[in-house]
Amino acid sequence: QLQLQESGPGLVKPSETLSLTCTVSGGSISSSGYYWGWIRQPPGKGLEWIGNIYYSGSTYYNPSLKSRVTISVDTSKNQFSLKLRSVTAADTAVYYCARTSSWAGKNWFDPWGQGTLVTVSS
Amino acid sequence: EIVLTQSPGTLSLSPGERATLSCRASQSVSSGYLAWYQQKPGQAPRLLIYGASSRATGIPDRFSGSGSGTDFTLTISRLEPEDFAVYYCQQYGNSPFTFGPGTKVDIK
Repeated sequence: QLQLQESGPGLVKPSETLSLTCTVSGGSISSSGYYWGWIRQPPGKGLEWIGNIYYSGSTYYNPSLKSRVTISVDTSKNQFSLKLRSVTAADTAVYYCARTSSWAGKNWFDPWGQGTLVTVSS
Repeated sequence: EIVLTQSPGTLSLSPGERATLSCRASQSVSSGYLAWYQQKPGQAPRLLIYGASSRATGIPDRFSGSGSGTDFTLTISRLEPEDFAVYYCQQYGNSPFTFGPGTKVDIK
């Protein structure tokens, strides 16, 4: 059974870089046919897609965050990572990682990690 | 960017009742590329429906999805106690992928 687990600091200072890692278990991140994505949810609010990455390193991002986001992959560790630069309080959210398809028209997210809360505060 | 609107914001029903949730898109969603998720407090979203009407693996048949173009519906035929949660729609026909603001189904 495929499982995803987010990890990283729960507190980040304003203007610094948020860094999270998602570890995939029960399957290979290098499996063809799948992208791996990040989604976030501010407390009490809705969901926002951040971006996706393929095991080859191919990425695509939400234009609203593209200038501040980098998603990378480490196939040797079966992990992918998120970096969000120049954070503000508005970036406080639960950050989820999830699997999606590389096929157009199949880009729902399933399964999801349990999520990790990142608070931006001095 | 396709903006999704969900209604109602909150639906107050009793167990055994039928729930009808609406998701409306600001422009046509390509080929019905719309998913529904259920989220309970403190948990990650769980995929219920994809392709507007296909149930995900392990989802009970009391959950059904329908619709096309700009109007989509999630129906829960008979609410079970575990169905009280927040439901989100997501379109994946166009990037950026977007989610609706959610409908909370709570106990009347």
